[in-house]
Amino acid sequence: GAGVSQSPSNKVTEKGKDVELRCDPISGHTALYWYRQSLGQGLEFLIYFQGNSAPDKSGLPSDRFSAERTGGSVSTLTIQRTQQEDSAVYLCASSHPGAYEQYFGPGTRLTVT
Amino acid sequence: EDQVTQSPEALRLQEGESSSLNCSYTVSGLRGLFWYRQDPGKGPEFLFTLYSAGEEKEKERLKATLTKKESFLHITAPKPEDSATYLCAVQAAGNNRKLIWGLGTSLAVNP
Repeated sequence: GAGVSQSPSNKVTEKGKDVELRCDPISGHTALYWYRQSLGQGLEFLIYFQGNSAPDKSGLPSDRFSAERTGGSVSTLTIQRTQQEDSAVYLCASSHPGAYEQYFGPGTRLTVT
Repeated sequence: EDQVTQSPEALRLQEGESSSLNCSYTVSGLRGLFWYRQDPGKGPEFLFTLYSAGEEKEKERLKATLTKKESFLHITAPKPEDSATYLCAVQAAGNNRKLIWGLGTSLAVNP
């Protein structure tokens, strides 16, 4: 079946602009996660959604970052007033109810100039 | 503090030269340990889940094992296409569904 999809695959933006990154999880997966991966660094947890529960936002690095998940499916990660240090690959993952293994999308490479 | 450490950071093998990657963990109650493979420019690809000490999982040339303190990913007779970064993550008790990730081992297999 279809895997996790993310769009756009690449995004180049100017410092100070807002960007929106989209994630379509695997159908039937109730948990959705956002991560950030900088060059040579490990996966940095940002936020996760589980069904209708309040999201765990504990990993968001600043109030410029926000995310929402509409209808328990598609999620959008928004970064306001982008800074150069926001440049990274943003990965989305989803997991099936009752399972912990996460399935990842291909990522969005964000470059802030 | 819950922590995952992978070693070595990088490994270079000749085709056919078997070896093992290590993932050491300290968590307050292990719910599961996960191995992923990540190719350049792609998202991590799920390989295995291990739940309890003594458990083993195999897939082609890869075999994952688990003890109470660490996990090994054994690569038997590797091929160049096995070149990738291998990531380990653990699910700790009481940590909701968040995984704790290691920094990975970058594996290069030369033909």
